Amino acid sequence: AQRVTQPEKLLSVFKGAPVELKCNYSYSGSPELFWYVQYSRQRLQLLLRHISRESIKGFTADLNKGETSFHLKKPFAQEEDSAMYYCALFNNAGNMLTFGGGTRLMVKP
Amino acid sequence: DAGVIQSPRHEVTEMGQEVTLRCKPISGHDYLFWYRQTMMRGLELLIYFNNNVPIDDSGMPEDRFSAKMPNASFSTLKIQPSEPRDSAVYFCASRPPGRAQGYTFGSGTRLTVV
Repeated sequence: AQRVTQPEKLLSVFKGAPVELKCNYSYSGSPELFWYVQYSRQRLQLLLRHISRESIKGFTADLNKGETSFHLKKPFAQEEDSAMYYCALFNNAGNMLTFGGGTRLMVKP
Repeated sequence: DAGVIQSPRHEVTEMGQEVTLRCKPISGHDYLFWYRQTMMRGLELLIYFNNNVPIDDSGMPEDRFSAKMPNASFSTLKIQPSEPRDSAVYFCASRPPGRAQGYTFGSGTRLTVV
């Protein structure tokens, strides 16, 4: 069965420091992975899709099939990046997402 | 596109009362999901529908919870009777037939049962 693991519940960095939010997955086949962001008391919003290899708000994520990882990175964190971040993976049938437990990012001034 | 619309945004009710949460998915989206979010348990999938048909309700906590989708543009999640431990934020999400866009979430309903 597929699984998504975000090993850090909380990540605290200073403004301007690099950020890496870890996501590991277990899946047989070609994974389809996403990152969602949830700002305080708001809805979850799609941040990145691995398939599009895009950079949104300075964030990037690279799929590493060898390490089964999809870590989210940003070279210089901003205070407005403080939020909950969820990594998600489509299941084998391709009809629903499996979410990780989430990582709360706190960017201190 | 107004996105996924949920109502009410906030609900405070007394223990034992019936609570109904509502969701309008994005037009053309054929999957609809109900999630519950709490500090302790994070994001939990309760149930999801495909073409208005419930596909997997294994996440529904107990018989007090029920969900319906009478048509493609409307779904309800009902709790009867409500209990304080049901206090949470309930999110609805929808997605189109293709997977590339992932899900679109609604703004959630913050439920407090006192």
